[in-house]
Amino acid sequence: DADVTQTPRNRITKTGKRIMLECSQTKGHDRMYWYRQDPGLGLRLIYYSFDVKDINKGEISDGYSVSRQAQAKFSLSLESAIPNQTALYFCATSDLSGDRGKRETQYFGPGTRLLVL
Amino acid sequence: GENVEQHPSTLSVQEGDSAVIKCTYSDSASNYFPWYKQELGKGPQLIIDIRSNVGEKKDQRIAVTLNKTAKHFSLHITETQPEDSAVYFCAASPPPGNTGKLIFGQGTTLQVKP
Repeated sequence: DADVTQTPRNRITKTGKRIMLECSQTKGHDRMYWYRQDPGLGLRLIYYSFDVKDINKGEISDGYSVSRQAQAKFSLSLESAIPNQTALYFCATSDLSGDRGKRETQYFGPGTRLLVL
Repeated sequence: GENVEQHPSTLSVQEGDSAVIKCTYSDSASNYFPWYKQELGKGPQLIIDIRSNVGEKKDQRIAVTLNKTAKHFSLHITETQPEDSAVYFCAASPPPGNTGKLIFGQGTTLQVKP
């Protein structure tokens, strides 16, 4: 969905490096999410944010941190990358104040493929 | 917390046949169950969803059924076409309600052979 963009799309880094993945949205949604996707494990929630001042841990937050710089921007950081953080990372948004039937719908970005050597 | 199991992990069907993907969930208080389709190189996209007060929902060739007693729900695709080939994820929205959180299943890779 072009309304949710992620940068970079691909990244190779080395163990111990700090990296940041960025997500921007033009949908005007209040909620934003970070997931990682691993083969056979599906999508697992890392962090989610209901607004700029509200950040919550998901299922697998250890080793990650996030920053909600504005309603439209939500960044994921790996303070010291390790090989088992190699995965496909997705950002998503949803709109609490939207149509009743679509409030839970999440809109995903195209993903960032991260390789930690 | 909520746990969602999805089966099968891979599914291969002939074009025109039906495909069924099944999910079970653990928290009886979950009340919203969406299905997402992920095409190659793209992010997941919602294709259909169902709420706990409904037993079945249809949208053209796709349908979802929910059995609250057994805590399982299924995706049915009829008259499959090659463009249905993708990875499909089920999910459940755990309590408390209205948080927007989703717990996803492991995914099913569907291949439709022409």
